[in-house]
Amino acid sequence: AQSVTQLGSHVSVSEGALVLLRCNYSSSVPPYLFWYVQYPNQGLQLLLKYTTGATLVKGINGFEAEFKKSETSFHLTKPSAHMSDAAEYFCAVTSTGNQFYFGTGTSLTVIP
Amino acid sequence: NAGVTQTPKFRVLKTGQSMTLLCAQDMNHEYMYWYRQDPGMGLRLIHYSVGEGTTAKGEVPDGYNVSRLKKQNFLLGLESAAPSQTSVYFCASSYGRRQRNSPLHFGNGTRLTVT
Repeated sequence: AQSVTQLGSHVSVSEGALVLLRCNYSSSVPPYLFWYVQYPNQGLQLLLKYTTGATLVKGINGFEAEFKKSETSFHLTKPSAHMSDAAEYFCAVTSTGNQFYFGTGTSLTVIP
Repeated sequence: NAGVTQTPKFRVLKTGQSMTLLCAQDMNHEYMYWYRQDPGMGLRLIHYSVGEGTTAKGEVPDGYNVSRLKKQNFLLGLESAAPSQTSVYFCASSYGRRQRNSPLHFGNGTRLTVT
């Protein structure tokens, strides 16, 4: 069975500060991991994905995530938050490309 | 290339009414999915399809039916709507097993209110 846990349903950061959104997964087989962003009244957009190879993955809008197998984590970071980063962020895992398992999401607020 | 298109965008139903949500994708994806999104619960899978003419139940299938008569379309039906089905519904598609690291591509959602 697979599952995703996102620690912190709400995260607030000041503009220009580091963004860190946490994601831990459970998977008995090598996973494929994804981060999605959802802006108000929109669908989910892919931020980045980890498949195989390099453990540090770069995505759009300056975000990146590091796959740590020993910690079963895939935390999302951005060095400097921008007001436009305010959104809901979802971590997801699959191993077969068949079913995807999503975390419950983290709402990011950026304080000017 | 429109991606994944959902219709309608908004709908209000009375309890007991029926409706069909339509999802269309133009990316030649094999797999299609219907999710519902509720506050604090993330995305929950209702039904999915791994190819034309096939469907399977997800995590929360009760009260919903689906059909995939054409590869590009995936329909979600509510036969007798209930207030508990008030939610935002998202359709998604992917290449599936053909490309296992393929991400999901999402539509913009349908906001359904059942009174």
